[in-house]
Amino acid sequence: AQTVTQSQPEMSVQEAETVTLSCTYDTSESNYYLFWYKQPPSRQMILVIRQEAYKQQNATENRFSVNFQKAAKSFSLKISDSQLGDTAMYFCAFMKPYNNDMRFGAGTRLTVKP
Amino acid sequence: DGGITQSPKYLFRKEGQNVTLSCEQNLNHDAMYWYRQDPGQGLRLIYYSQIVNDFQKGDIAEGYSVSREKKESFPLTVTSAQKNPTAFYLCASSIRADSNYGYTFGSGTRLTVV
Repeated sequence: AQTVTQSQPEMSVQEAETVTLSCTYDTSESNYYLFWYKQPPSRQMILVIRQEAYKQQNATENRFSVNFQKAAKSFSLKISDSQLGDTAMYFCAFMKPYNNDMRFGAGTRLTVKP
Repeated sequence: DGGITQSPKYLFRKEGQNVTLSCEQNLNHDAMYWYRQDPGQGLRLIYYSQIVNDFQKGDIAEGYSVSREKKESFPLTVTSAQKNPTAFYLCASSIRADSNYGYTFGSGTRLTVV
């Protein structure tokens, strides 16, 4: 079974600075999908960014970008120009194609300090 | 606006009682999911449904039951057989069971056994 590991339970960053959240995963599949979800204090899970494993180019969404290292099975999230509204739990997730079984990491609690 | 509605937001249950958590979506999504969230453990899949009148067990289905009589609705019953039901429960949906675009989540129900 696929496993997803987030090794940083908590992190903090100063407003306007950059922070990187780590995620590693274990799989024997060659094609799959990776996601970062944000869970703010409201507890609603929000999709931040999605990466397809067969695409070499790292996904970006405004201030959010990923560093996808397929050989290392690493999928880190970089948040640039951090804002107070970025304070949340961040979950990394893995999914095989055409398979309704999304696997989540334990999460990283990010606090953005003013 | 389309989305997923979970109710109630907070639920208290006495030991030995069954309780039902509601999940309704107006996104016209075929697939729906129930996850349990505990501190430090990420999200774990309880049940999922690919189409109406069909559902499958996830990793931690013991002590839970579901039904899918309508496309829009996927209620979760926490039975008295669930030994540690206090947790945060999230409902999600995807356009199809084989969709690779991630899930849309509701805002969750916090269940507490008193």
